[in-house]
Amino acid sequence: TQLLEQSPQFLSIQEGENLTVYCNSSSVFSSLQWYRQEPGEGPVLLVTVVTGGEVKKLKRLTFQFGDARKDSSLHITAAQPGDTGLYLCAGVTQGGKLIFGQGTELSVKP
Amino acid sequence: SAVISQKPSRDICQRGTSLTIQCQVDSQVTMMFWYRQQPGQSLTLIATANQGSEATYESGFVIDKFPISRPNLTFSTLTVSNMSPEDSSIYLCSVTGQEYGYTFGSGTRLTVV
Repeated sequence: TQLLEQSPQFLSIQEGENLTVYCNSSSVFSSLQWYRQEPGEGPVLLVTVVTGGEVKKLKRLTFQFGDARKDSSLHITAAQPGDTGLYLCAGVTQGGKLIFGQGTELSVKP
Repeated sequence: SAVISQKPSRDICQRGTSLTIQCQVDSQVTMMFWYRQQPGQSLTLIATANQGSEATYESGFVIDKFPISRPNLTFSTLTVSNMSPEDSSIYLCSVTGQEYGYTFGSGTRLTVV
């Protein structure tokens, strides 16, 4: 069974601080995705990382995929209250299914 | 990305009854999935909805409890049967295809009383 361990599960920080969310697995995925979800909505895809060692940037968000394609991280620089939400990592299996981590509930206080 | 219309957005149901959730997509999609999400928690895959054949269920989910239909490439339904309070959750459909990434519906918030 492929599992993704995501940490931390809860994060409460002040506006302007930096943070990192981690996603680890003992399995190799064909790619890994990061989502953000707000209350009452479905998850919205932020990025897909495919190549081991890949780094992608989306404004203040930096995503890394481990060399062995088993782990990933999301780093947010100078967090804003608008970054508040549930962040989810998901591994994409060979069959196209998504295996989600436990999620990280981020709260950024002004 | 594809646009998904999921209905109903929420419902309160009596235990022992069944609820059918609909997922309509604005274009033909290759793959459709159904997920369950406890409030504030992550998503668990229930099944892959296959067009023209029986759905493929994940471990812990069975067809008698969660029958799924997919009559064509733009529509699917998930039924939650013989509901109990433990079935209270958010149910989401998701689609994917070569032309776009994974897209999720806005979910159905189900409360069983």
